[in-house]
Amino acid sequence: DAGVTQSPTHLIKTRGQHVTLRCSPISGHKSVSWYQQVLGQGPQFIFQYYEKEERGRGNFPDRFSARQFPNYSSELNVNALLLGDSALYLCASSPGTGNSPLHFGNGTRLTVT
Amino acid sequence: AQSVTQLDSQVPVFEEAPVELRCNYSSSVSVYLFWYVQYPNQGLQLLLKYLSGSTLVKGINGFEAEFNKSQTSFHLRKPSVHISDTAEYFCAVSDPDDKIIFGKGTRLHILP
Repeated sequence: DAGVTQSPTHLIKTRGQHVTLRCSPISGHKSVSWYQQVLGQGPQFIFQYYEKEERGRGNFPDRFSARQFPNYSSELNVNALLLGDSALYLCASSPGTGNSPLHFGNGTRLTVT
Repeated sequence: AQSVTQLDSQVPVFEEAPVELRCNYSSSVSVYLFWYVQYPNQGLQLLLKYLSGSTLVKGINGFEAEFNKSQTSFHLRKPSVHISDTAEYFCAVSDPDDKIIFGKGTRLHILP
């Protein structure tokens, strides 16, 4: 069975640009979460979507937005990129919420120059 | 709000020696606890989870963890490590809003 897939794997953008990251969850999983992992730190929660509705949002500015599609795939959008947005962006899926463990993709490495 | 503290940023240990990675959490309500492992250039993989029941939880790759409610700890242990255990380990807790919050991680260095 396919795991969580993320695209692209690597991305280089310039300050001020916009970026869209994509995630396909494990088949049957209805929840998708996004995390930002800065080098040397643990993953920081950005968003959680369940059944196409936002269930939670972390402490990130409004430049960050996301959505979940009817097939449960998801996009993370970041506008007006800053140097500090450089990080590994991880997508995770789970069957539900709460005590359902997360299944992570390998991430998208975003570099902002 | 829930939080997780991993007390050691790096832990060096000789191959075939035992290891303990420490994790403390803060919560005023019942929690679910997790340990994840991240190998270089990869996403996170679940090692084990505590939801309820027995306080000693066994996971993959020979790891186990003990939930201690009075000490609000969930330390990860392995009796004998191998070079392949070199990775970063993250302790995590679910919050009342069903978000999973991660600690800053502990890098495990296996010495030959």
